[in-house]
Amino acid sequence: LAKTTQPISMDSYEGQEVNITCSHNNIATNDYITWYQQFPSQGPRFIIQGYKTKVTNEVASLFIPADRKSSTLSLPRVSLSDTAVYYCLGHRDDKIIFGKGTRLHILP
Amino acid sequence: NAGVTQTPKFRVLKTGQSMTLLCAQDMNHEYMYWYRQDPGMGLRLIHYSVGEGTTAKGEVPDGYNVSRLKKQNFLLGLESAAPSQTSVYFCASTYYNTGELFFGEGSRLTVL
Repeated sequence: LAKTTQPISMDSYEGQEVNITCSHNNIATNDYITWYQQFPSQGPRFIIQGYKTKVTNEVASLFIPADRKSSTLSLPRVSLSDTAVYYCLGHRDDKIIFGKGTRLHILP
Repeated sequence: NAGVTQTPKFRVLKTGQSMTLLCAQDMNHEYMYWYRQDPGMGLRLIHYSVGEGTTAKGEVPDGYNVSRLKKQNFLLGLESAAPSQTSVYFCASTYYNTGELFFGEGSRLTVL
């Protein structure tokens, strides 16, 4: 099962672009890379998923280099409401394991 | 379309009591998962199911049992509750194991 490592916390300011990087030390060929967002007292919410290169949706971009040993979640022009915990997952087979996540704090 | 519904949302137990948490999904998902989240921590996988009639252990299965008698329901049981099981429990489901997980609102359990 792919294990992930990401920073424990990050601070940024409103209007900035935020990049959170996750390392996928033992990612397997069939693993997808998925990111979730969690607000206090709520369940995690899916943000974005990719396998390689770049994926973009209405809320974020996901960059995955060719070796797939890392991934970077990019949040454009963050606002106070983006303050949350962000999890990167590597998953394969049937177990879906969440790491400790990155606590992102957006400052005014 | 209710998505994933957890029952109950709050419960207080005494040490040694038993209870069952119910997770129900109406999306015809094959895979269902139970996680626990302690304050300031990430989610830890307790048990999961890949289809009706199947269950498997996750990262922290001790002290819990599960059943998946119907595809839409996944039950998490505590036979003899302990204070260490005080936590918020989240249920999630997905159609395939690399797909988007849909979470319930959580069940906050306190064991005194």
